[in-house]
Amino acid sequence: DTGVSQNPRHKITKRGQNVTFRCDPISEHNRLYWYRQTLGQGPEFLTYFQNEAQLEKSRLLSDRFSAERPKGSFSTLEIQRTEQGDSAMYLCASSLARGNYEQYFGPGTRLTVT
Amino acid sequence: QKEVEQNSGPLSVPEGAIASLNCTYSDRGSQSFFWYRQYSGKSPELIMSIYSNGDKEDGRFTAQLNKASQYVSLLIRDSQPSDSATYLCAVNMGTGNQFYFGTGTSLTVIP
Repeated sequence: DTGVSQNPRHKITKRGQNVTFRCDPISEHNRLYWYRQTLGQGPEFLTYFQNEAQLEKSRLLSDRFSAERPKGSFSTLEIQRTEQGDSAMYLCASSLARGNYEQYFGPGTRLTVT
Repeated sequence: QKEVEQNSGPLSVPEGAIASLNCTYSDRGSQSFFWYRQYSGKSPELIMSIYSNGDKEDGRFTAQLNKASQYVSLLIRDSQPSDSATYLCAVNMGTGNQFYFGTGTSLTVIP
């Protein structure tokens, strides 16, 4: 199975530290999305890439968040100077850039900021 | 104003019954619609997509779309305890760039 993979699966960090998450999409998918989900809420869009280009970024995303997809394959999401409010599940999804744009999610990275 | 609204539930149905999950959306130009299932502590799993008015069936699942009413629903026939999960409605509002998700409906199927 070559589904979406994410690493690490869990991350505990202290407030003020930087963290980086990785997402490997389904191999033939050229779109990659990052979402954040908190308890009792649906996933909230953060940003998305088509190939290596970051085409859209949520207005809710602070400057402490940055994402890259340097070769159009895997992507990284970095959070600088973490805050307790950053504690959430960070989800990555991928899709083809055609058709219904069906998005398939990875297992997520659960971040806890203490 | 929330773009996608779902009744948060919880919704409880007996095993073998039909579960009906509903979703409304605000953008009349929305193009396609998706239902995801999410077990506690897990990531969303795509159940099915629909983009034309009417019904679309896939096994025990039927998605129904009414664009005039801005309404999409999911019916689960012969509900099983393993269907107990949160069901998320997602809407692609026109450009294919991002999905807007509802907050989900929690379903419990009672054996």
